[in-house]
Amino acid sequence: LAKTTQPISMDSYEGQEVNITCSHNNIATNDYITWYQQFPSQGPRFIIQGYKTKVTNEVASLFIPADRKSSTLSLPRVSLSDTAVYYCLVGDTGRRALTFGSGTRLQVQP
Amino acid sequence: DAGVIQSPRHEVTEMGQEVTLRCKPISGHNSLFWYRQTMMRGLELLIYFNNNVPIDDSGMPEDRFSAKMPNASFSTLKIQPSEPRDSAVYFCASSWTSGSSYEQYFGPGTRLTVT
Repeated sequence: LAKTTQPISMDSYEGQEVNITCSHNNIATNDYITWYQQFPSQGPRFIIQGYKTKVTNEVASLFIPADRKSSTLSLPRVSLSDTAVYYCLVGDTGRRALTFGSGTRLQVQP
Repeated sequence: DAGVIQSPRHEVTEMGQEVTLRCKPISGHNSLFWYRQTMMRGLELLIYFNNNVPIDDSGMPEDRFSAKMPNASFSTLKIQPSEPRDSAVYFCASSWTSGSSYEQYFGPGTRLTVT
């Protein structure tokens, strides 16, 4: 199971773009990269998933370089409500269950 | 859809008592997951069902923990007997497992306190 490494915490201000990078050096060929968001006292919420290059949805963008050993979650123009813990996960296609790491605690200030 | 429903939302019990947590997954989903979250250990998978069949229970701490899914719309996680170290937030999640999607929908969680 590929292990992920991401910063423990990040600070930002409202209106800024935030990029959270995750390392997954041992990612396997069939693995997908998934990001979840968790607010205090709530369950995690799926944000985005990708395999290679770039994926964009209404919430975020996910950038994955060709070697797929890292990925970057990009949150455009964050607001106070984006303050949360963000988890990077690498999905083992043979095992649907997710393995969560420590996540990145993002604090957005006014 | 109401999303994943868990009950109770809070449970306080004494050591040695039996605790049963309940989960109703999103209608149409074919996979169900039980997770546990603590400050020390983070978010851990306990057990995973696919089409009501337990697929992976390697995360179940010990024999005191058991989980069932008698049908597609209901699952239980039971702890008997409970211990203070079982205090945690227990999440249930469901998904439609197909292709390469890892999108899971989490419930609000049950906060368990064992005194």
